Amino acid sequence: DIKLTQSPSFLSASVGDRVTITCRASQGISSYLVWYQQKPGKAPKLLIYAASTLQSGVPSRFSGSGSGTEFTLTISSLQPEDFATYYCQQLKSYPPRTFGQGTKVEIK
Amino acid sequence: EVQLLESGGGLVQPGGSLRLSCAASGFTFSSYAMNWVRQAPGKGLEWVSTITSGDNTYYADSVKGRFTISRDNFKNTLYLQMNSLRADDTAVYYCAKDHYASGTYGNDYWGQGTLVTVSS
Repeated sequence: DIKLTQSPSFLSASVGDRVTITCRASQGISSYLVWYQQKPGKAPKLLIYAASTLQSGVPSRFSGSGSGTEFTLTISSLQPEDFATYYCQQLKSYPPRTFGQGTKVEIK
Repeated sequence: EVQLLESGGGLVQPGGSLRLSCAASGFTFSSYAMNWVRQAPGKGLEWVSTITSGDNTYYADSVKGRFTISRDNFKNTLYLQMNSLRADDTAVYYCAKDHYASGTYGNDYWGQGTLVTVSS
């Protein structure tokens, strides 16, 4: 099974900061990686698919990059509504459609 | 407008069974793979199962042999039959629609989730 490791697991940042979250795959997954945002008590929301394609309606301050085994999600200028937990998921080889363990972004 | 509405969650004893349903609307249900994803209290997301538009099914090792995913394209409804439930199956269960038919672009719509609690 392909394993995904996100780093960091937790980060504290201020409004306006540039934030980068990394997702590493245990083997190459080309660009078959997506990113979700989840707020407490809510369902996940698709942000990025195919590693770098912004989902419709998602603000342009979110961006994704990478291929193979290393991927990043970047928020160019953190906004109050961006404080949430972020997950990556691989769709190259399944089952299983593995998720990363999550990165919680909190207010500094 | 795409809507996914789960139902069927609740409290069940260890070893018991439960069937979750997810009523879909606002898209051509039969054309898309559908998924169940769960989240234990305070934990991360865990993929549970996928059923393709062609009725191919896939399961996480943790539920294989105990859970069965199915769909009724006439009723636009996704199901998850859960048998031999264990305490570690306690979670919010979400149904989610594949973004594209290829199955490689994630899940673009999710239900609100239904809580399953396995406890004596």
